[in-house]
Amino acid sequence: DTGVSQDPRHKITKRGQNVTFRCDPISEHNRLYWYRQTLGQGPEFLTYFQNEAQLEKSRLLSDRFSAERPKGSFSTLEIQRTEQGDSAMYLCASSLTDMVGYGYTFGSGTRLTVV
Amino acid sequence: AQTVTQSQPEMSVQEAETVTLSCTYDTSESNYYLFWYKQPPSRQMILVIRQEAYKQQNATENRFSVNFQKAAKSFSLKISDSQLGDTAMYFCAFRGNYGGSQGNLIFGKGTKLSVKP
Repeated sequence: DTGVSQDPRHKITKRGQNVTFRCDPISEHNRLYWYRQTLGQGPEFLTYFQNEAQLEKSRLLSDRFSAERPKGSFSTLEIQRTEQGDSAMYLCASSLTDMVGYGYTFGSGTRLTVV
Repeated sequence: AQTVTQSQPEMSVQEAETVTLSCTYDTSESNYYLFWYKQPPSRQMILVIRQEAYKQQNATENRFSVNFQKAAKSFSLKISDSQLGDTAMYFCAFRGNYGGSQGNLIFGKGTKLSVKP
């Protein structure tokens, strides 16, 4: 297992376009989390899944954002009609339900730049 | 709502010396977890050390140790014998067991640590 993988590593898009990011968690991890990190700030929680169920969404997750984890394995995060304020690093993390006290394993992130 | 505060945006330390990074948090829960994560430049975030609130003994991982003061809601990180590879952003994080924080880690804004040769 190579850890949490995120694709792409970098994405530059024009304002108004839609973008989709993918996250592949550690295979045996049933929880998957999405965070957003802007420059000089700590990661902010967006949403998380337990298996295929989306259990919590932050108020930061506007209607333009949608996340899925259709088979309880990989997840996608889509941003529609991107805005310049969406420019950030999008981090994915995973964990086992019973092991959340041991922290999460993070991926390297997808850096989005909206121009 | 739980909050995590890191009051030192930047710090620097000479190689081989000791540095302490501060973190305070606010919660009404009695059982929770605290973490320090390291994020090197352009690299992924990795877990440095963790502490369970019901354990009074301070956690230690090699050169990294914490000073956990539950009553004061303080969770500082001490790095001994600092190395150049310790240069990174350090984030303090909280995870509760109940309510809105159950599903996620809450992070502070981070402290940028520079280790100078």
